[in-house]
This record gives sequence, structure tokens and C-alpha cells, in this order.
Amino acid sequence: QQQVKQSPQSLIVQKGGISIINCAYENTAFDYFPWYQQFPGKGPALLIAIRPDVSEKKEGRFTISFNKSAKQFSLHIMDSQPGDSATYFCAASKWTGANNLFFGTGTRLTVIP
Amino acid sequence: EAGVAQSPRYKIIEKRQSVAFWCNPISGHATLYWYQQILGQGPKLLIQFQNNGVVDDSQLPKDRFSAERLKGVDSTLKIQPAKLEDSAVYLCASRSDRAFNSPLHFGNGTRLTVT
Repeated sequence: QQQVKQSPQSLIVQKGGISIINCAYENTAFDYFPWYQQFPGKGPALLIAIRPDVSEKKEGRFTISFNKSAKQFSLHIMDSQPGDSATYFCAASKWTGANNLFFGTGTRLTVIP
Repeated sequence: EAGVAQSPRYKIIEKRQSVAFWCNPISGHATLYWYQQILGQGPKLLIQFQNNGVVDDSQLPKDRFSAERLKGVDSTLKIQPAKLEDSAVYLCASRSDRAFNSPLHFGNGTRLTVT
């Protein structure tokens, strides 16, 4: 059972454009939603995270938008750069305790110069 | 700080053989995880340790997979015997307990190919 569904599977964006990746979850107990960035041959690295007490979180060119009623959250990358080309994973878990992160299936982003 | 170290980087074995992976977490990180990442999928938790105790191993195929974390530092993950479907990248991650819900730090993984 896929706890977190992610789309699209791949995304090609022109340099300077906006990249948008969407995720949906089923478990209403989830209350922590991080995004991880993974470059080829490397492990995932935390990019940005949000808790559902806010609807949006912005860090530089990266913004998470969260819709609790729809159980959906998305990552927006503004002014996308070729260096942003990577695979992005959304994830979800409970905030408290020994939280197991459930990952989405990933989105391979390619930013064309 | 030094990152999570994993070895070997790559491993190719035949089915029914055994293999072991090693992980050295970031110093002081009490929580250690092993994830399996099959090509084209997100990481899936296999086992979670808190110091040298197992917190969650519900998704570990215990008939063939085993893991230990002696002395609450380094960890090894073993597969015996390996199956073709075990081909994947095995990621180790660690997390500090000093800050509430601190992020997971991943190693670069071991890519296993079972032929």
C-alpha cells in the first residue's frame, strides 16, 4: 500500500521556469511532511519540511504548499536552475516519537539551460 | 561533521549467495535506519535502531535479512540467501535525538546487483 502518492514521475522545465511536484497522503495521523533531494549516486538530503499548522513554507526558491483538507502538499521551485536537476521525494510521518518516514515514488526533474 | 559512511559502494553477487553491508552513522546519532531503494521507487524502511535496540523491523524480510547494531554505533545489514528482487540501493541514515524531530542524514548507499 502506497502511503504517499507523488506526481509527476518526471518533469522537464526550462531554466527560469517554475517546477511543481505534487503529493497526496491517506493517513490523517501524518503531521510532518519533508521533501528530499537526491542527486545520482548520492543519498537523499533534506530540502525543506512543513507541519500542517501552516499552509505554506518558503525557503529561498523552494516553497511547500499544504492543503490539510485535501490531504495534499506540493513543492514549488521558482526560477528553476540546471543545478536543481535531481530526483525529488516527498515524505510523510508522524511528528512525535520514533517516526518512520514514508516516501513517495520520486520525481526526476530536468532543468534545461 | 563527517557524514554517514557506508561500504561497500557496489556489490554484485549471484542469487542464493550472501552479502553484508556496513554503516557508520554520524557521531552521536542515536537513531539509525536501513532503507531499501529499488530503482524508480522511494526509499522503504527496513529496520530502525535506537542505540542498539530495534524500534521497528516490521518491514524487514526476516527469513533472509538480518541487521545488528552492536554497541549502538556501527551497523551491519545482511542478506542470506539473496534473491533477484533484492537488487536495490541500500541506504543507511542516522538522526540526532538532541533536537526534536531532527532530519535524517543519509549515506550514499550500497548498490546491490543480484544476478
